[in-house]
Amino acid sequence: GENVEQHPSTLSVQEGDSAVIKCTYSDSASNYFPWYKQELGKGPQLIIDIRSNVGEKKDQRIAVTLNKTAKHFSLHITETQPEDSAVYFCAAINNDMRFGAGTRLTVKP
Amino acid sequence: EPEVTQTPSHQVTQMGQEVILRCVPISNHLYFYWYRQILGQKVEFLVSFYNNEISEKSEIFDDQFSVERPDGSNFTLKIRSTKLEDSAMYFCASTIYPDSWGVNYGYTFGSGTRLTVV
Repeated sequence: GENVEQHPSTLSVQEGDSAVIKCTYSDSASNYFPWYKQELGKGPQLIIDIRSNVGEKKDQRIAVTLNKTAKHFSLHITETQPEDSAVYFCAAINNDMRFGAGTRLTVKP
Repeated sequence: EPEVTQTPSHQVTQMGQEVILRCVPISNHLYFYWYRQILGQKVEFLVSFYNNEISEKSEIFDDQFSVERPDGSNFTLKIRSTKLEDSAMYFCASTIYPDSWGVNYGYTFGSGTRLTVV
């Protein structure tokens, strides 16, 4: 089955800096890659996604890139704010969704 | 915004007891899932369900687990004889398609049920 690796496990940045989280996947048939944000005590919330026929997607301060050949994809958050602090999970879907281990992002004011 | 609703939000049970976790998926969604998250760890896939039968299950989903869609709205996860290691957050999710090419067709998750086995 699909195996998703995510790095780093923790990331601390100053407010206004950029944050990058990277993931790799194992199943070349995976075709959809969502990113979820999880705040304390809540379920994962979809923040952005990318399909395998697209190399990059941007939504305001958030962007995702996908390299199908290398089987890796990344989340980029620019101009980080304290409210961006949360755990971020990447995921890959072929038949079912499998998550990465998560990255705890802390944005220091 | 349509939501996936889970009840209860927190359940405490004695080891060996049966528990049923309940979920109401979004009404026009067709695929349903259970995931669990042990405290501080990754979200792990348990089972997917479509057309009133299990589509796929992980190695975690052993004979102690079962799922059911007893009526047109509820989707339940039953753990027959709970163990201490079953303590976790359990998330229900639903989607129209599991790998849709449409916009924003990612899974929608509920807020979870925190299961504590004592």
